[in-house]
Amino acid sequence: ETGVTQSPTHLIKTRGQQVTLRCSSQSGHNTVSWYQQALGQGPQFIFQYYREEENGRGNFPPRFSGLQFPNYSSELNVNALELDDSALYLCASSLRTGGWTGELFFGEGSRLTVL
Amino acid sequence: GQQLNQSPQSMFIQEGEDVSMNCTSSSIFNTWLWYKQDPGEGPVLLIALYKAGELTSNGRLTAQFGITRKDSFLNISASIPSDVGIYFCAGLNSGGSNYKLTFGKGTLLTVNP
Repeated sequence: ETGVTQSPTHLIKTRGQQVTLRCSSQSGHNTVSWYQQALGQGPQFIFQYYREEENGRGNFPPRFSGLQFPNYSSELNVNALELDDSALYLCASSLRTGGWTGELFFGEGSRLTVL
Repeated sequence: GQQLNQSPQSMFIQEGEDVSMNCTSSSIFNTWLWYKQDPGEGPVLLIALYKAGELTSNGRLTAQFGITRKDSFLNISASIPSDVGIYFCAGLNSGGSNYKLTFGKGTLLTVNP
């Protein structure tokens, strides 16, 4: 069974640039959620993707966007990067069959630094 | 918005000691989950609780879903060095179109061998 994999693991960008982060979900999972984790904080929900559509969104501006592909992998795109976007971005996959249990399987994250 | 308060923020204990930490909320949740995060890793699910009053164990870990649905507790018995890490509680109100887990800020556990 393949776990959740994210790429890149680390990256450095400058203010105003754009970034794309990638995630492959765990085998058998159909849902991907993205979380932002600032240093010393708990993960904050960005959005969830199910059946290639955004399903629920946290308190993040529209410059945070995403995609889910037919193989259930996903991308997180952030435009016009700001210094406060520096964080660990976590992707988590799960299985939705009707209801959703909240049981997330996280990747190791992508550490973004914005200078 | 919903906020989860975890306490304590950090703990320093000796190997073999028992540990208790808790999580409280201003709102009701119908699911509580506990995750552990090691340095450089993503959080890993430890225990999930789906019913008020439920007490669930996973090895040396025991968690309870408070009857008010506004709190949860995690206990670790006979701690060992590999218990070191950050423990997060997370709450969920499932149903409808809500697929957001709300996380606490975490409890940092250090175990002295």
